[in-house]
Amino acid sequence: QIQLQQSGPGLVKPSQTLSLTCAISGDSVSSNSASWNWIRQSPSRGLEWLGRTYYRSKWYNDYAVSVKSRISINTDTSKNQFSLQLNSVTPEDTSVYYCGRAAARVGATDYWGQGTLVTVSS
Amino acid sequence: DIQMTQSPSSLSASVGDRVTITCRASQYITNSLAWYQQKPGKAPKLLVYAAFKLESGVPSRFSGSGSGTDYTLTINSLQPEDFGNYYCHQYYSIPYTFGQGTKLEIK
Repeated sequence: QIQLQQSGPGLVKPSQTLSLTCAISGDSVSSNSASWNWIRQSPSRGLEWLGRTYYRSKWYNDYAVSVKSRISINTDTSKNQFSLQLNSVTPEDTSVYYCGRAAARVGATDYWGQGTLVTVSS
Repeated sequence: DIQMTQSPSSLSASVGDRVTITCRASQYITNSLAWYQQKPGKAPKLLVYAAFKLESGVPSRFSGSGSGTDYTLTINSLQPEDFGNYYCHQYYSIPYTFGQGTKLEIK
């Protein structure tokens, strides 16, 4: 049974860095047949894919252009987890953030974390 | 970016009805299309991927169809538990994008 458990602060000050972690059980972050994604959702922006990381003999990352200058997705294979860092946040980054797995056979995100509401406010 | 346009934005239907939600992509997406159901306070749940493949465990009253740029999610014999928001999602081209959602209310 695949489970994704998110952790991280729910309140971040403007201009600071949003950091979230997604711990994986039942699969491996180093899997050659999955990618690991971050998606956020807000009333104003709807569902927005932010980026992904995946391993195919080496690590790859893809990021949405809208956040490309501010985002970093990293992995920790020893803890079987991946993380999101979003720099220089503004109130517009206030959203529910989800991590997710996309199995290669599916393509779309098939397993999701529980979601973390992150509010950007001083 | 590929724009995904869903319709209708909301609908109300009765138990037993057949419901159809459509999604149009701004460009060809080679059936790289998924449908999700989301309930309040929960993460989206995958229903259909590759335009018509039913995810394991999803009731057979859900079905997907379409090709090219136009796709449809059909719910046959609507059940009370089918209320919620439905989203289409293209994973053909980075950045992946989602439709704006359809809110389904049970009468």
